Amino acid sequence: DAGITQSPRHKVTETGTPVTLRCHQTENHRYMYWYRQDPGHGLRLIHYSYGVKDTDKGEVSDGYSVSRSKTEDFLLTLESATSSQTSVYFCAIKATSGREGTDTQYFGPGTRLTVL
Amino acid sequence: KQEVTQIPAALSVPEGENLVLNCSFTDSAIYNLQWFRQDPGKGLTSLLLIQSSQREQTSGRLNASLDKSSGRSTLYIAASQPGDSATYLCAFNIGGSYIPTFGRGTSLIVHP
Repeated sequence: DAGITQSPRHKVTETGTPVTLRCHQTENHRYMYWYRQDPGHGLRLIHYSYGVKDTDKGEVSDGYSVSRSKTEDFLLTLESATSSQTSVYFCAIKATSGREGTDTQYFGPGTRLTVL
Repeated sequence: KQEVTQIPAALSVPEGENLVLNCSFTDSAIYNLQWFRQDPGKGLTSLLLIQSSQREQTSGRLNASLDKSSGRSTLYIAASQPGDSATYLCAFNIGGSYIPTFGRGTSLIVHP
């Protein structure tokens, strides 16, 4: 599992409230990603990070912001949660290994967020 | 825009059958392709990764192949078991990009 944890694992919140999800890794990987997974849409990239304080948008970034102040933590914030943001959120890292620099992606266990 | 198509979307088979799951991608400048397994309510687990320079990778009863010229990868599962029931996703990276493109997966049920 490449030492990836996500917190909280489950959260129920109300429309309009701010929500922050945390992804924590223990192996100093440079690249980290936030995805959401919804029936009928598959996995969609929200934001990703390629280093401390270096982040960029994915295909569904509206309504989300991220921060990475330490290598090991990547935070996803919903400034004002909406019902359309009810989803399962996955964090992932990209691990590079071997002499050929093989890149492998590993995922966290997910956070199930419900916005009422 | 890169796209990944996985066929079939769903598959139900009796235990013991040999299976082939298909993954088609649109960009020939593929760097690598990764197969994942996802159990209900869980995260994605990496199964196999094939570099563009490789033709196939094997792990136990799983064998993944890559044909760049036709834009296809297949995941072969030998002697399927009920424990293989899950959704299988493929994702590919193109050279110079660190953003993989995911398929929507094949939902597999292996019944006893």
